[in-house]
Amino acid sequence: DADVTQTPRNRITKTGKRIMLECSQTKGHDRMYWYRQDPGLGLRLIYYSFDVKDINKGEISDGYSVSRQAQAKFSLSLESAIPNQTALYFCATSDSSGTGDYGYTFGSGTRLTVV
Amino acid sequence: LAKTTQPISMDSYEGQEVNITCSHNNIATNDYITWYQQFPSQGPRFIIQGYKTKVTNEVASLFIPADRKSSTLSLPRVSLSDTAVYYCLVGSLRAGNNRKLIWGLGTSLAVNP
Repeated sequence: DADVTQTPRNRITKTGKRIMLECSQTKGHDRMYWYRQDPGLGLRLIYYSFDVKDINKGEISDGYSVSRQAQAKFSLSLESAIPNQTALYFCATSDSSGTGDYGYTFGSGTRLTVV
Repeated sequence: LAKTTQPISMDSYEGQEVNITCSHNNIATNDYITWYQQFPSQGPRFIIQGYKTKVTNEVASLFIPADRKSSTLSLPRVSLSDTAVYYCLVGSLRAGNNRKLIWGLGTSLAVNP
């Protein structure tokens, strides 16, 4: 089984719909992150959580929300999807050791298309 | 504005050493430099991380000059399976810092037979 599992792998949804992307991990890491990847724009941080009671906005949090249900689970919601949220979404984890902020373990991604 | 710049693409041949340089002129004191590898339809995979001087692990070396305004990822004796996109990441999310992570746009490395 993968260390970081994202569901679904692919999703097509209509404009205005609410959608949730889920992430679970077996790494035992306390830190979890959501990124989106767009051609020409690279990876951009949406939200991150350093523990179950900690939620922080990243550089592009508008239009998104997150929930850290447990140490191992971190979900991303698009409250009302719009076409420019079409992207590849990655969940990542890291531990809290000295340089753990930066040594991420990524999931395989969710390809989201908003039509 | 902080920026991380790397070449868009590079070509190499099997068995050669490949060096990919990342420019990060506005790096902050507490920022680390991390490199990732990404294959199609997969998430990025951690390669190596450093703060200053030289770091080496079983797959790569990372060279960081004293001014830390650039860094060079060195892949010794590449093979066809090293064909991938390589990303440079600079920044920190540590409390008390200007929490910011700056990803480069990636260098697409093609290794030819």
